[in-house]
Amino acid sequence: AQKITQTQPGMFVQEKEAVTLDCTYDTSDPSYGLFWYKQPSSGEMIFLIYQGSYDQQNATEGRYSLNFQKARKSANLVISASQLGDSAMYFCAMREGWRGNTPLVFGKGTRLSVIA
Amino acid sequence: GAGVSQSPSNKVTEKGKDVELRCDPISGHTALYWYRQSLGQGLEFLIYFQGNSAPDKSGLPSDRFSAERTGGSVSTLTIQRTQQEDSAVYLCASNHGGRVAEQYFGPGTRLTVT
Repeated sequence: AQKITQTQPGMFVQEKEAVTLDCTYDTSDPSYGLFWYKQPSSGEMIFLIYQGSYDQQNATEGRYSLNFQKARKSANLVISASQLGDSAMYFCAMREGWRGNTPLVFGKGTRLSVIA
Repeated sequence: GAGVSQSPSNKVTEKGKDVELRCDPISGHTALYWYRQSLGQGLEFLIYFQGNSAPDKSGLPSDRFSAERTGGSVSTLTIQRTQQEDSAVYLCASNHGGRVAEQYFGPGTRLTVT
């Protein structure tokens, strides 16, 4: 079974609009972390935001916020006020367990295109 | 400070040849990871090193793949008798193991097997 599912292969959004990228996850471990990474066409992986399974508040980082619904096992990324530079692949990833130094499991990604 | 570096950035090899990919992690990071990204796909975990512990090789797709990490720093991923399906971008990442501990990725090595 897929541990991380991103159901939107591609998304389009108008510049300055908000967009939500979906991510659902599957784990039986009560302690886990969820990450979002951005991969522009240059290929680099850029860390955006993190949510721990025990965190009470939804994570926010500038224009990025994570809509964490633990009971539904979803961790959607919300990008507010989209910019042309936000066009990229976005990957949701999970780390199981409490230790920070374990491998990440990635979803297949969503390609976001921002339209002027 | 310097980020994760990888070399070469591009490698073209003939089927059946061996290749070595190098990763230089961020200084002080105790954990080092190798991932593979095939065209248009997500990242697939291959192997990771944590300090002096034995590496977790559970993601290696076959015994043609191996990796070592010398002195707790630089790592080399070796693919023997390369096959066309090995063509992918090989990404290295490192982190220090704190609670959040996002992984810092290198620019990757694009391997093409002809």
